[in-house]
Amino acid sequence: DAGVIQSPRHEVTEMGQEVTLRCKPISGHNSLFWYRQTMMRGLELLIYFNNNVPIDDSGMPEDRFSAKMPNASFSTLKIQPSEPRDSAVYFCASSPGVLLEQYFGPGTRLTVT
Amino acid sequence: AQSVTQPDIHITVSEGASLELRCNYSYGATPYLFWYVQSPGQGLQLLLKYFSGDTLVQGIKGFEAEFKRSQSSFNLRKPSVHWSDAAEYFCAVGALETSYDKVIFGPGTSLSVIP
Repeated sequence: DAGVIQSPRHEVTEMGQEVTLRCKPISGHNSLFWYRQTMMRGLELLIYFNNNVPIDDSGMPEDRFSAKMPNASFSTLKIQPSEPRDSAVYFCASSPGVLLEQYFGPGTRLTVT
Repeated sequence: AQSVTQPDIHITVSEGASLELRCNYSYGATPYLFWYVQSPGQGLQLLLKYFSGDTLVQGIKGFEAEFKRSQSSFNLRKPSVHWSDAAEYFCAVGALETSYDKVIFGPGTSLSVIP
């Protein structure tokens, strides 16, 4: 298996622009997680899905952030409009079950200028 | 609410020395326990996990961890550290949180290895 795939690996955008991050989980995994990592705040869980349904989105910073999982093999995290404070590394992870081991993607490094 | 603490923000050890990274959690029942490692510029990788049974679990790269229910701890150990072990280490706890399951990550411990 190729593991969790994230795209793009790097994104540089200007403040106010829309940003879409993509994730393809490992086939057969039922749970998908989106995290954000910064030096200041560490690793933060933004949202997670189980069987394509959002379960906990309490970590989503504000309404500018949205996430979707239209099917079992694809998820997106969208930021609209983006702000400089959104600059971070965003990780997607998938798991066979919510409480089981997670497999992380390589991350997307987002820079908003 | 459950929580995970890693008391040491940063640890420096000499190559060949033994290592112990601490992890404590706050939860009433026995949760699922994990240790992950993150090398610079990479995603997190699972080192080992504990669900039930033998309280001493073996993981990859020569790491082991021991679950101590009485201390609510799940400390990570390695008898002899290699320079390639320099990385960030995260403890994680999975358990039922109010009405749904949730996994909580600790703040991480940064490990430096002196040649």
